[in-house]
Amino acid sequence: EAGVVQSPRYKIIEKKQPVAFWCNPISGHNTLYWYLQNLGQGPELLIRYENEEAVDDSQLPKDRFSAERLKGVDSTLKIQPAELGDSAVYLCASSSGQGSYNEQFFGPGTRLTVL
Amino acid sequence: AQKVTQAQTEISVVEKEDVTLDCVYETRDTTYYLFWYKQPPSGELVFLIRRNSFDEQNEISGRYSWNFQKSTSSFNFTITASQVVDSAVYFCALSEARGNNRLAFGKGNQVVVIP
Repeated sequence: EAGVVQSPRYKIIEKKQPVAFWCNPISGHNTLYWYLQNLGQGPELLIRYENEEAVDDSQLPKDRFSAERLKGVDSTLKIQPAELGDSAVYLCASSSGQGSYNEQFFGPGTRLTVL
Repeated sequence: AQKVTQAQTEISVVEKEDVTLDCVYETRDTTYYLFWYKQPPSGELVFLIRRNSFDEQNEISGRYSWNFQKSTSSFNFTITASQVVDSAVYFCALSEARGNNRLAFGKGNQVVVIP
C-alpha cells in the first residue's frame, strides 16, 4: 500500500513569491491534515479536512495561507506571499477515520526555504 | 488546553544500551489518547504506539515498551537494546476525545545511538 505522497520535497523561493505544496493521502483515507514543523519543534496543525470540507482551520493564517481539497482526495496548500518566517517543513498526514484515537500516517514533508 | 512536555532534547546512548524517553501531558478531558511517533532523518513521522486513557496496562512490543501513569500524567517510552537504526527524533503526542482530532506534539527527543 502506498503511503502519503508529497511534492515537492524541497522548495527554495524568495520572499514575497507564492508557493504551493501538494499532497496525495493514502487511498481510502477521508481525513487529511496539514502540519507545520519548525526546526526543533513538534508538528503543529494548520488545517484538517473531512473529505472536501475543512473542519478545523482555526490555526491557518488565512491572510496568506490557503488550502483546498476539491474532490476529497488530493490537497494543495498555498502561501502567497511567502515570508522569511515561513521557512519550515510542511507535513501532510491522513487517517482512515474521524476519531481522536485514529493513528495518522505522515508523508515525508516539503522543506521550504524562503530567502 | 492539551499540552505535551518532553524535557530532554538530545540523548546519546551506546548501542545495546536501553534508552527511556519521558513525556508529561496536560489535559482536562477524561478521555484521551497518547501516541509515540518516530521521525528518522528522512523526515516521515512513523507511528509507534498508542494508548487510551482508560487503559493503564503497560506493555512490551518487541524492543519497545511504555509506562503509562495517569496519577503523574506521564507516558514514558523505552527502547531496549538500542540499535543504530533507532537514531531519530521521537515525539510524544496527545489527542483529546473532544479535541477535534487535534494531535498536540511535544518538542521531541533526539536520540543518537553510537555504534
